[in-house]
Amino acid sequence: AQKITQTQPGMFVQEKEAVTLDCTYDTSDQSYGLFWYKQPSSGEMIFLIYQGSYDEQNATEGRYSLNFQKARKSANLVISASQLGDSAMYFCAMREAVTGNQFYFGTGTSLTVIP
Amino acid sequence: EAGVTQSPTHLIKTRGQQATLRCSPISGHTSVYWYQQALGLGLQFLLWYDEGEERNRGNFPPRFSGRQFPNYSSELNVNALELEDSALYLCASSLVGKGYEQYFGPGTRLTVT
Repeated sequence: AQKITQTQPGMFVQEKEAVTLDCTYDTSDQSYGLFWYKQPSSGEMIFLIYQGSYDEQNATEGRYSLNFQKARKSANLVISASQLGDSAMYFCAMREAVTGNQFYFGTGTSLTVIP
Repeated sequence: EAGVTQSPTHLIKTRGQQATLRCSPISGHTSVYWYQQALGLGLQFLLWYDEGEERNRGNFPPRFSGRQFPNYSSELNVNALELEDSALYLCASSLVGKGYEQYFGPGTRLTVT
């Protein structure tokens, strides 16, 4: 089974609108971390936000927030007030305590912001 | 503090040759990861090194290999290059622990002709 599933290959959003990028994960571990990365067309991978499995509050970083629903095993990224510079690939990732430092990445979602 | 560095930036090889890619992690990071990203696709996990040992490898043939040196820098070797090996190869490093994100290098663009 896939550890990380991103079901939206491509998404479009109007500038200044909010958008949600979906991510579901599969683990039997109680202790894990969830991450989102952004990859612009230039290729570099940029860390956006982190959510720990024991964190009760949803993580927020500026215009990024992580909608963490533990029972549903989902960790959706919400980008508010989209900007043209948000157009990029977005990857969801997980790290389980039981496997130490192994990272698992999803297949990514391509986001295009329309002016 | 210096980030993850990779060399070379670009590498052009012909089919059948060998390629060597290098990565230097952030100081203090013991784990190094290698990923292959073919054009327009996601990250495919290649190899993970920690404390000089190979901890895990992805679903790639044995001609993809590597090592980690005592200073935690790492090398990825690809033997008998094939056209489909053309991709962006990303290296990342991390501290130990589930809460630590990976820091990525700028990548090496390998082109096999």
